[in-house]
Amino acid sequence: EVQLVESGGGLVKPGGSLRLSCAASGFAFSNAWMSWVRQAPGKGLEWVGRIKSKTDGGTTDYAAPVKGRFTISRDDSQNTMYLQVNSLKTEDTAMYYCSTVRGSNLQYFQHWGQGTLVTVSS
Amino acid sequence: QTVVTQEPSFSVSPGGTVTLTCGLGSGSVSTSYYPSWYQQTPGQAPRTLIYNTNTRSSGVPDRFSGSILGNKAALTITGAQADDESNYFCVLYMGGGIWVFGGGTKLTVL
Repeated sequence: EVQLVESGGGLVKPGGSLRLSCAASGFAFSNAWMSWVRQAPGKGLEWVGRIKSKTDGGTTDYAAPVKGRFTISRDDSQNTMYLQVNSLKTEDTAMYYCSTVRGSNLQYFQHWGQGTLVTVSS
Repeated sequence: QTVVTQEPSFSVSPGGTVTLTCGLGSGSVSTSYYPSWYQQTPGQAPRTLIYNTNTRSSGVPDRFSGSILGNKAALTITGAQADDESNYFCVLYMGGGIWVFGGGTKLTVL
C-alpha cells in the first residue's frame, strides 16, 4: 500500500524558513516523480512544484509564486522528499500535501499524503 | 497568468446527473492539457478521480466519468449519491512541468 507522510510544518514568523518532509513507502520511490500541492485555509488547491526521478534527470519545476523561495529535493536512500521553504510570507500559510506524479503522457497526481500545516504569522 | 475556471458551486438531487466543467480563461481545453479531477471533503486529503481526460482512477465508481465538452473538460456524476457531496478540483498540465488547478466546485447533493 502506498503511504505518504508529511511532517515539518508549524508556526513560523514572516521571513522565516522551514523544511517539510514527505516520507514514502509501498512503492519504488527512486523511480517516482513527486510533487507538492498546497491549500490555504478555506481555499482551493495550488500546485507548488515537482521533482523528477534521478533517472529522468531529477529536475525541478515550480509555480511562479514560490519560485526562488522554495526548493524541492529528494533523498532516495531515505525514500523521502523535502520542501525547503524560505522567505515565508503570510500568504504561504497552507496545508502542504505531497503526492506522487505520473508524468509522460498522463501528467496527474496519483497518490496523496494527509498534509502538514504551515502557519506564517507574527 | 493562466486561469483555470470552474463553477464555484453546483447542486444536484440524489440520483440525478450533474456535469462540472473546467475551462481556460483564454483558449480551449483539449486532451493535450491532460485534465484530471480530484474530490476533496473538508479536512481530508484530495482523492484522485479521473486522469488523462477520461480514465478513472483505481476504485472510483463508474458513475464518475470525464470528457471534453465543447471547449472545456467535464466531470459527470451519474446517479449522484449523498456522499458525493464534496469539493471537486480540476487541474490542467500547461507543459514545461507546470500544472494549474481550477478554483474548485462545491457540490451539494440535496
